[in-house]
Amino acid sequence: QKEVEQNSGPLSVPEGAIASLNCTYSDRGSQSFFWYRQYSGKSPELIMFIYSNGDKEDGRFTAQLNKASQYVSLLIRDSQPSDSATYLCAVRGGSQGNLIFGKGTKLSVKP
Amino acid sequence: DVKVTQSSRYLVKRTGEKVFLECVQDMDHENMFWYRQDPGLGLRLIYFSYDVKMKEKGDIPEGYSVSREKKERFSLILESASTNQTSMYLCASGYNQPQHFGDGTRLSIL
Repeated sequence: QKEVEQNSGPLSVPEGAIASLNCTYSDRGSQSFFWYRQYSGKSPELIMFIYSNGDKEDGRFTAQLNKASQYVSLLIRDSQPSDSATYLCAVRGGSQGNLIFGKGTKLSVKP
Repeated sequence: DVKVTQSSRYLVKRTGEKVFLECVQDMDHENMFWYRQDPGLGLRLIYFSYDVKMKEKGDIPEGYSVSREKKERFSLILESASTNQTSMYLCASGYNQPQHFGDGTRLSIL
């Protein structure tokens, strides 16, 4: 059974701090990794994807991938209260290459 | 602006009814997906489609079927609704992975 694990949180950080969200996955053959943000009562929205080992930066967001450790993370710099949401990690796996979602980490950014 | 539109935000149906959930996207995406989201279980893929009239089972297809007669429209059908199908249903579309989600349909089966 291919799995994607996330700490459910809540992860609480003060405004302006760096929030670090972590995700591990079981399928060593996974190639593509995605982060979605889901505000309470809303649908998920895709915010980042990463395919290669290392870092990928987009504004205040940085995705980090370490395939050897089967670990992907999302860093949010200068966290804002508007970043408060649940962050879903997703890994392309499954028998047909479907995305497998983690259960999400709830982030709370305190003013 | 990209839109994935689901026909209903809230729906209440009775056990045994046949239920149709409709989804329309305006991005000309080949791939469309139906998920359900439940507390503690996360997002789970029910069915997806990579082309008109094509469909593939996801992780939890039992009790569901789908229809894709036109590229922009993907329908989820609950053949005989049961209480354990009470959930939030999310449709998504994308060129490969789900990129854009609809607002969701909160379905209650009584």
